[in-house]
Amino acid sequence: EPEVTQTPSHQVTQMGQEVILRCVPISNHLYFYWYRQILGQKVEFLVSFYNNEISEKSEIFDDQFSVERPDGSNFTLKIRSTKLEDSAMYFCASSVGQGDTQYFGPGTRLTVL
Amino acid sequence: GDSVTQMEGPVTLSEEAFLTINCTYTATGYPSLFWYVQYPGEGLQLLLKATKADDKGSNKGFEATYRKETTSFHLEKGSVQVSDSAVYFCALHKKLVFGKGTKLTVNP
Repeated sequence: EPEVTQTPSHQVTQMGQEVILRCVPISNHLYFYWYRQILGQKVEFLVSFYNNEISEKSEIFDDQFSVERPDGSNFTLKIRSTKLEDSAMYFCASSVGQGDTQYFGPGTRLTVL
Repeated sequence: GDSVTQMEGPVTLSEEAFLTINCTYTATGYPSLFWYVQYPGEGLQLLLKATKADDKGSNKGFEATYRKETTSFHLEKGSVQVSDSAVYFCALHKKLVFGKGTKLTVNP
């Protein structure tokens, strides 16, 4: 069964460094998403992406964040200058269409020191 | 804006007990509704969903009915198992809006 994959599973970085989190969505899906979950808190929507552009983003998704689909398979989330409060689990998801079931990857745990 | 309110828990039950986790929502239009489950150390998995009023989603013995009149989507299971211990999230819509999650622990 096809699944969303994410790498790395755990990323440790120093405050102020740039990080790139990678995701490979399910191949026939057209909509891609990033969510984050700060430890012990709820899962929060960051951004949705369709047709090579952002279709919606939350207040959390400020200028420090960017997303990209650099090729036909990868979908990345970049944080330019990490802050301590960026420490969280980041989940990628994809769906066939808008409003269809979203399938989640296993997540990347980001730790900012 | 859209929002989800769910019973926060934690909920602790004995094996074979009946489970209900309440979820209510506020949204414009007619959102799709979902329950996701997060097992310890793992990512989110879709448990079940319903896309219109009066639909019942079901999977692995869990059920939830989309009640438009009460704007609710309560999760139920008749007899829980130890393996059901996890955090359960109610969510709605196209950009998923999650509730805070309910941690369930089932004791043998």
